[in-house]
Amino acid sequence: EDKVVQSPLSLVVHEGDTVTLNCSYEVTNFRSLLWYKQEKKAPTFLFMLTSSGIEKKSGRLSSILDKKELSSILNITATQTGDSAIYLCAVEEGGNQFYFGTGTSLTVIP
Amino acid sequence: DVKVTQSSRYLVKRTGEKVFLECVQDMDHENMFWYRQDPGLGLRLIYFSYDVKMKEKGDIPEGYSVSREKKERFSLILESASTNQTSMYLCASRKPWRVGTHTGELFFGEGSRLTVL
Repeated sequence: EDKVVQSPLSLVVHEGDTVTLNCSYEVTNFRSLLWYKQEKKAPTFLFMLTSSGIEKKSGRLSSILDKKELSSILNITATQTGDSAIYLCAVEEGGNQFYFGTGTSLTVIP
Repeated sequence: DVKVTQSSRYLVKRTGEKVFLECVQDMDHENMFWYRQDPGLGLRLIYFSYDVKMKEKGDIPEGYSVSREKKERFSLILESASTNQTSMYLCASRKPWRVGTHTGELFFGEGSRLTVL
Protein backbone atom coordinates (compact mmCIF):
# COMPACT_ATOMS: atom_id res chain seq x y z
CA GLU A 1 0.00 0.00 0.00
CA ASP A 2 1.41 3.36 -1.05
CA LYS A 3 2.16 5.67 1.83
CA VAL A 4 2.50 8.75 -0.36
CA VAL A 5 0.22 9.40 -3.32
CA GLN A 6 0.67 12.27 -5.72
CA SER A 7 -1.82 13.62 -8.22
CA PRO A 8 -2.11 14.20 -11.02
CA LEU A 9 0.45 11.81 -12.48
CA SER A 10 1.12 14.22 -15.31
CA LEU A 11 0.06 17.65 -16.37
CA VAL A 12 0.52 19.73 -19.52
CA VAL A 13 -0.08 23.47 -19.28
CA HIS A 14 0.72 26.63 -21.20
CA GLU A 15 3.18 29.24 -20.05
CA GLY A 16 1.54 31.63 -17.65
CA ASP A 17 -0.90 29.11 -16.24
CA THR A 18 -1.12 28.36 -12.53
CA VAL A 19 -0.85 24.74 -11.41
CA THR A 20 -1.59 22.91 -8.19
CA LEU A 21 0.06 19.61 -7.41
CA ASN A 22 -1.27 17.37 -4.68
CA CYS A 23 0.33 15.02 -2.22
CA SER A 24 -1.49 12.86 0.30
CA TYR A 25 0.14 10.58 2.80
CA GLU A 26 -0.48 8.01 5.44
CA VAL A 27 2.29 7.43 7.97
CA THR A 28 2.11 6.72 11.67
CA ASN A 29 4.88 8.95 13.01
CA PHE A 30 4.96 12.01 10.77
CA ARG A 31 7.97 14.30 11.01
CA SER A 32 8.02 16.34 7.83
CA LEU A 33 6.89 16.58 4.24
CA LEU A 34 9.32 17.60 1.53
CA TRP A 35 8.93 18.72 -2.07
CA TYR A 36 11.63 18.20 -4.68
CA LYS A 37 11.99 19.17 -8.33
CA GLN A 38 13.70 16.67 -10.59
CA GLU A 39 14.83 17.47 -14.08
CA LYS A 40 17.13 15.05 -15.85
CA LYS A 41 19.42 14.79 -12.86
CA ALA A 42 19.38 14.85 -9.06
CA PRO A 43 16.22 15.94 -7.26
CA THR A 44 16.64 19.46 -5.94
CA PHE A 45 15.04 20.57 -2.72
CA LEU A 46 12.13 22.99 -2.77
CA PHE A 47 10.38 22.99 0.60
CA MET A 48 10.19 21.20 3.91
CA LEU A 49 6.94 21.47 5.85
CA THR A 50 6.43 20.40 9.42
CA SER A 51 3.64 22.61 10.75
CA SER A 52 0.12 22.59 9.49
CA GLY A 53 -1.29 25.71 7.89
CA ILE A 54 1.96 27.57 7.44
CA GLU A 55 2.74 28.43 3.84
CA LYS A 56 6.26 28.22 2.56
CA LYS A 57 6.98 30.45 -0.41
CA SER A 58 9.84 30.89 -2.83
CA GLY A 59 9.24 33.14 -5.79
CA ARG A 60 6.41 31.70 -7.87
CA LEU A 61 6.31 28.47 -5.87
CA SER A 62 4.47 27.95 -2.63
CA SER A 63 3.40 25.01 -0.53
CA ILE A 64 1.20 24.33 2.43
CA LEU A 65 0.63 21.36 4.69
CA ASP A 66 -2.70 20.22 6.11
CA LYS A 67 -1.98 17.70 8.84
CA LYS A 68 -5.65 17.16 9.54
CA GLU A 69 -6.25 16.12 5.95
CA LEU A 70 -2.83 14.41 5.69
CA SER A 71 -2.02 16.30 2.55
CA SER A 72 -0.01 19.06 0.98
CA ILE A 73 -0.24 21.15 -2.15
CA LEU A 74 2.46 22.73 -4.26
CA ASN A 75 1.38 25.77 -6.25
CA ILE A 76 3.26 27.24 -9.16
CA THR A 77 2.00 30.53 -10.53
CA ALA A 78 2.84 32.10 -13.91
CA THR A 79 4.48 28.87 -15.08
CA GLN A 80 7.53 28.98 -17.34
CA THR A 81 9.08 26.34 -19.57
CA GLY A 82 11.85 25.99 -17.00
CA ASP A 83 9.28 24.66 -14.55
CA SER A 84 8.94 21.52 -16.67
CA ALA A 85 10.10 18.68 -14.45
CA ILE A 86 8.95 15.86 -12.23
CA TYR A 87 7.85 17.10 -8.82
CA LEU A 88 8.39 14.64 -6.00
CA CYS A 89 6.72 14.61 -2.62
CA ALA A 90 8.37 12.78 0.27
CA VAL A 91 7.21 12.20 3.80
CA GLU A 92 9.63 11.59 6.61
CA GLU A 93 8.55 9.11 9.22
CA GLY A 94 10.26 8.59 12.54
CA GLY A 95 13.45 6.57 12.22
CA ASN A 96 15.03 8.26 9.22
CA GLN A 97 12.60 6.67 6.84
CA PHE A 98 11.46 8.72 3.86
CA TYR A 99 8.57 7.63 1.67
CA PHE A 100 8.37 9.07 -1.82
CA GLY A 101 5.43 9.44 -4.14
CA THR A 102 5.81 8.49 -7.78
CA GLY A 103 5.87 12.13 -8.77
CA THR A 104 3.89 14.50 -10.96
CA SER A 105 5.33 15.16 -14.39
CA LEU A 106 4.75 18.77 -15.37
CA THR A 107 5.21 19.97 -18.94
CA VAL A 108 4.92 23.68 -19.67
CA ILE A 109 4.34 24.53 -23.32
CA PRO A 110 5.51 27.91 -24.66
CA ASP B 1 27.09 24.09 -1.02
CA VAL B 2 26.54 20.50 -0.07
CA LYS B 3 27.94 18.19 -2.62
CA VAL B 4 27.02 14.55 -3.02
CA THR B 5 29.10 12.93 -5.71
CA GLN B 6 28.36 9.62 -7.36
CA SER B 7 31.38 8.30 -9.15
CA SER B 8 29.70 6.79 -12.19
CA ARG B 9 26.89 8.48 -14.11
CA TYR B 10 26.37 5.65 -16.59
CA LEU B 11 27.36 2.01 -16.33
CA VAL B 12 26.71 -1.00 -18.51
CA LYS B 13 27.36 -4.40 -16.93
CA ARG B 14 26.69 -8.00 -17.76
CA THR B 15 24.53 -10.40 -15.77
CA GLY B 16 26.50 -11.93 -12.95
CA GLU B 17 29.10 -9.18 -12.71
CA LYS B 18 29.89 -7.52 -9.39
CA VAL B 19 29.04 -3.83 -9.44
CA PHE B 20 30.25 -1.09 -7.11
CA LEU B 21 28.47 2.26 -6.91
CA GLU B 22 30.34 4.87 -4.92
CA CYS B 23 28.93 7.92 -3.20
CA VAL B 24 30.88 10.65 -1.42
CA GLN B 25 29.49 13.65 0.49
CA ASP B 26 31.46 16.62 1.73
CA MET B 27 29.21 18.00 4.48
CA ASP B 28 30.05 15.67 7.35
CA HIS B 29 26.54 14.22 7.28
CA GLU B 30 25.95 11.22 9.50
CA ASN B 31 23.06 9.76 7.52
CA MET B 32 23.44 8.38 4.02
CA PHE B 33 20.95 6.59 1.80
CA TRP B 34 20.78 4.56 -1.38
CA TYR B 35 17.59 4.64 -3.45
CA ARG B 36 16.63 3.23 -6.78
CA GLN B 37 14.23 5.09 -9.02
CA ASP B 38 12.05 3.32 -11.55
CA PRO B 39 9.22 4.72 -13.70
CA GLY B 40 5.88 4.36 -11.99
CA LEU B 41 7.46 3.18 -8.74
CA GLY B 42 9.14 6.33 -7.52
CA LEU B 43 12.15 6.22 -5.23
CA ARG B 44 12.54 3.11 -3.14
CA LEU B 45 14.99 2.79 -0.29
CA ILE B 46 17.59 0.06 -0.62
CA TYR B 47 19.79 0.71 2.43
CA PHE B 48 20.62 3.55 4.73
CA SER B 49 23.38 4.21 7.20
CA TYR B 50 23.09 6.14 10.44
CA ASP B 51 26.81 6.57 10.79
CA VAL B 52 30.12 4.91 10.06
CA LYS B 53 29.92 1.11 10.01
CA MET B 54 26.17 1.26 10.71
CA LYS B 55 23.60 0.15 8.18
CA GLU B 56 19.93 -0.65 8.02
CA LYS B 57 17.95 -2.44 5.35
CA GLY B 58 15.41 -0.40 3.50
CA ASP B 59 12.41 -1.64 1.58
CA ILE B 60 14.21 -3.52 -1.18
CA PRO B 61 17.61 -4.75 0.07
CA GLU B 62 17.58 -8.12 -1.71
CA GLY B 63 20.48 -8.47 -4.10
CA TYR B 64 22.36 -5.51 -2.63
CA SER B 65 24.85 -4.86 0.13
CA VAL B 66 26.49 -1.68 1.39
CA SER B 67 29.68 -0.51 3.01
CA ARG B 68 30.30 2.56 5.18
CA GLU B 69 33.91 2.48 6.34
CA LYS B 70 34.34 6.25 6.34
CA LYS B 71 31.82 8.92 7.19
CA GLU B 72 31.93 10.59 3.81
CA ARG B 73 31.64 7.45 1.69
CA PHE B 74 28.75 5.04 1.23
CA SER B 75 29.08 2.27 -1.31
CA LEU B 76 26.37 0.13 -2.85
CA ILE B 77 27.39 -3.32 -4.03
CA LEU B 78 25.56 -5.62 -6.38
CA GLU B 79 27.21 -8.98 -5.75
CA SER B 80 25.85 -10.56 -8.91
CA ALA B 81 24.05 -8.12 -11.16
CA SER B 82 20.78 -9.17 -12.74
CA THR B 83 18.70 -7.57 -15.46
CA ASN B 84 16.01 -6.53 -12.97
CA GLN B 85 18.58 -4.31 -11.29
CA THR B 86 18.69 -2.07 -14.34
CA SER B 87 17.69 1.25 -12.85
CA MET B 88 18.67 4.75 -11.79
CA TYR B 89 20.46 4.69 -8.43
CA LEU B 90 20.41 7.79 -6.26
CA CYS B 91 22.57 8.42 -3.22
CA ALA B 92 21.54 10.97 -0.60
CA SER B 93 22.84 12.33 2.67
CA ARG B 94 21.66 14.54 5.50
CA LYS B 95 22.14 15.46 9.13
CA PRO B 96 20.17 13.19 11.43
CA TRP B 97 16.90 14.12 13.03
CA ARG B 98 17.11 15.25 16.61
CA VAL B 99 14.32 16.09 19.05
CA GLY B 100 13.44 19.77 18.99
CA THR B 101 15.17 20.47 15.72
CA HIS B 102 14.09 20.46 12.12
CA THR B 103 16.68 18.41 10.44
CA GLY B 104 17.62 19.27 6.92
CA GLU B 105 16.46 17.80 3.74
CA LEU B 106 18.01 14.96 1.83
CA PHE B 107 20.78 16.09 -0.50
CA PHE B 108 20.97 13.95 -3.61
CA GLY B 109 23.77 12.99 -5.93
CA GLU B 110 23.41 13.19 -9.71
CA GLY B 111 22.45 9.53 -9.99
CA SER B 112 24.04 6.46 -11.54
CA ARG B 113 22.15 4.90 -14.40
CA LEU B 114 22.95 1.20 -14.46
CA THR B 115 22.07 -1.09 -17.34
CA VAL B 116 22.53 -4.83 -16.84
CA LEU B 117 22.60 -6.86 -20.05
